[in-house]
Amino acid sequence: LAKTTQPISMDSYEGQEVNITCSHNNIATNDYITWYQQFPSQGPRFIIQGYKTKVTNEVASLFIPADRKSSTLSLPRVSLSDTAVYYCLVGRNNNAGNMLTFGGGTRLMVKP
Amino acid sequence: GAVVSQHPSWVICKSGTSVKIECRSLDFQATTMFWYRQFPKQSLMLMATSNEGSKATYEQGVEKDKFLINHASLTLSTLTVTSAHPEDSSFYICSAEAGGGAFFGPGTRLTVL
Repeated sequence: LAKTTQPISMDSYEGQEVNITCSHNNIATNDYITWYQQFPSQGPRFIIQGYKTKVTNEVASLFIPADRKSSTLSLPRVSLSDTAVYYCLVGRNNNAGNMLTFGGGTRLMVKP
Repeated sequence: GAVVSQHPSWVICKSGTSVKIECRSLDFQATTMFWYRQFPKQSLMLMATSNEGSKATYEQGVEKDKFLINHASLTLSTLTVTSAHPEDSSFYICSAEAGGGAFFGPGTRLTVL
């Protein structure tokens, strides 16, 4: 399973765009990149998943360069409620019996 | 998305007792579920993989006789912490795979006095 490296913490202000970058130098050809959000005392919540280039949904965008050795989660116009820990995970997609290995995550603090 | 529930959401028990935590996939079947443990301010650590109809697979360092896992049906996996001790106090989270990725339960806070 590919190891991931993320910044331990980030601070931002309401209304700003936040970009969290994750490094995964040994990502395998079959690996997908998935981001989860976790609030205190709750289970992780799926945010977005991608394989290459750019993926966008209603809450975030995921940018993946051609070499796929890193990825950037972009949160547009964050609010106080986006304060959480964000985890980048790399692994095989779907019903592959894949167990998810969590790295340290990035603790995002959104300030008023 | 797929919904995974856990019961109870929190539990307090005395040292030496056993505690059972349930993980259910509410709107899908899951042949495989995963159990994680998370200590305060730390990331999730995979404990074991629960396989329906067969024995669970435990990660290195996790005592299989202490953390009993039973995956008796396609929608239910249980984790029993036997002879719990204060150091077992933690946040236990399960997950199950559905088309499109892994979905996590809300977690169970275990406090052992």
